[in-house]
Amino acid sequence: QKEVEQNSGPLSVPEGAIASLNCTYSDRGSQSFFWYRQYSGKSPELIMFIYSNGDKEDGRFTAQLNKASQYVSLLIRDSQPSDSATYLCAGSNNNNDMRFGAGTRLTVKP
Amino acid sequence: GAVVSQHPSRVICKSGTSVKIECRSLDFQATTMFWYRQFPKQSLMLMATSNEGSKATYEQGVEKDKFLINHASLTLSTLTVTSAHPEDSSFYICSAFKDGNTGELFFGEGSRLTVL
Repeated sequence: QKEVEQNSGPLSVPEGAIASLNCTYSDRGSQSFFWYRQYSGKSPELIMFIYSNGDKEDGRFTAQLNKASQYVSLLIRDSQPSDSATYLCAGSNNNNDMRFGAGTRLTVKP
Repeated sequence: GAVVSQHPSRVICKSGTSVKIECRSLDFQATTMFWYRQFPKQSLMLMATSNEGSKATYEQGVEKDKFLINHASLTLSTLTVTSAHPEDSSFYICSAFKDGNTGELFFGEGSRLTVL
């Protein structure tokens, strides 16, 4: 079993819609969770991080964490074509050992 | 934000030669850096953890004699792919935690290696 699992997609949404990206993790020692966006041929860039159960909002992005269910999600409101990329979920434990999911490819169609 | 720089961004080499990739933290000190490899349409795979002043810790299945890591200072780690073969062609990315920060991982721009 992979430590961090994501649906590989592709996930396709129309412009202006909400894109929902999901992630589950198996290591209950994971404390911090991160969402990275990676454009083709580029290195990942951080979108959001979340440590506490519940929701965390930053602009059009909302991260949700449920530690009991070992579930993390990222919602992108008012999706734009420029949001089209691969989104990587990552979990980190207290030793800063970070593990990445395989990534979900998102396409936002104009 | 913190900046991690990699060099070179692209390198093409002949099979059997060695290639060195540098990873520098430009505006912070990093006692630990990480090296990842990413094949097309696949996720980041952690290769090794580079520790300043000590030996790197390699993930299972990664040959330490083939992928030499040196972390000689708090701002520089190098990855040398020795006797490179076409199957080593990949996107190599380094990253670092800014010491004392909340756990955000800062990535270099990546280095695309093509072995002919």
